[in-house]
Amino acid sequence: EAEVAQSPRYKITEKSQAVAFWCDPISGHATLYWYRQILGQGPELLVQFQDESVVDDSQLPKDRFSAERLKGVDSTLKIQPAELGDSAMYLCASSFGQVEGNTIYFGEGSWLTVV
Amino acid sequence: DAKTTQPTSMDCAEGRAANLPCNHSTISGNEYVYWYRQIHSQGPQYIIHGLKNNETNEMASLIITEDRKSSTLILPHATLRDTAVYYCIVRARSSYNQGGKLIFGQGTELSVKP
Repeated sequence: EAEVAQSPRYKITEKSQAVAFWCDPISGHATLYWYRQILGQGPELLVQFQDESVVDDSQLPKDRFSAERLKGVDSTLKIQPAELGDSAMYLCASSFGQVEGNTIYFGEGSWLTVV
Repeated sequence: DAKTTQPTSMDCAEGRAANLPCNHSTISGNEYVYWYRQIHSQGPQYIIHGLKNNETNEMASLIITEDRKSSTLILPHATLRDTAVYYCIVRARSSYNQGGKLIFGQGTELSVKP
């Protein structure tokens, strides 16, 4: 069964450093999502792409976070500079399309600890 | 976006059916009900979704009331591996600038006990 691939699985970084996460969606999926999940809470959407275009980045802290999906396939989420409050799991997900009948599939997540 | 209400936690005996309720009284006519679960330290796993009719797959059954204001996820024979947080989500309708995203609540923590 096809899966959403994410790396790294775990990352420890010092505050003020830069960190990046990579996601490869399921082949053929045009819609890609980045979520953040703080321990004990449900995931929260950071950014949504349709192909290479950003559809929704209303919850992305744009002063320090950036996301790109240059060729409309894989995607990178970057944090610079990292802050202690950024410690969380970063989840990538994908779906065939945006419409609400298309199932969204999640990767295993990337755990970030900022020290 | 329609909100959902779920119990914070539930227990279930191994081998018995687990029935997880969800209220979504403000759901709109073409919004889907999705269920995901999340086992500790892993990404959310899709379980099932439905619009109006009851649905069944190899993992679970979804029962949606006729007025669509509530639903129940049924795991027919719960095992210890079904211990997880279960999220009931009403999927936002896609539009020009926002596309069908999932908005997670707190979910129900299901504990399956031997």
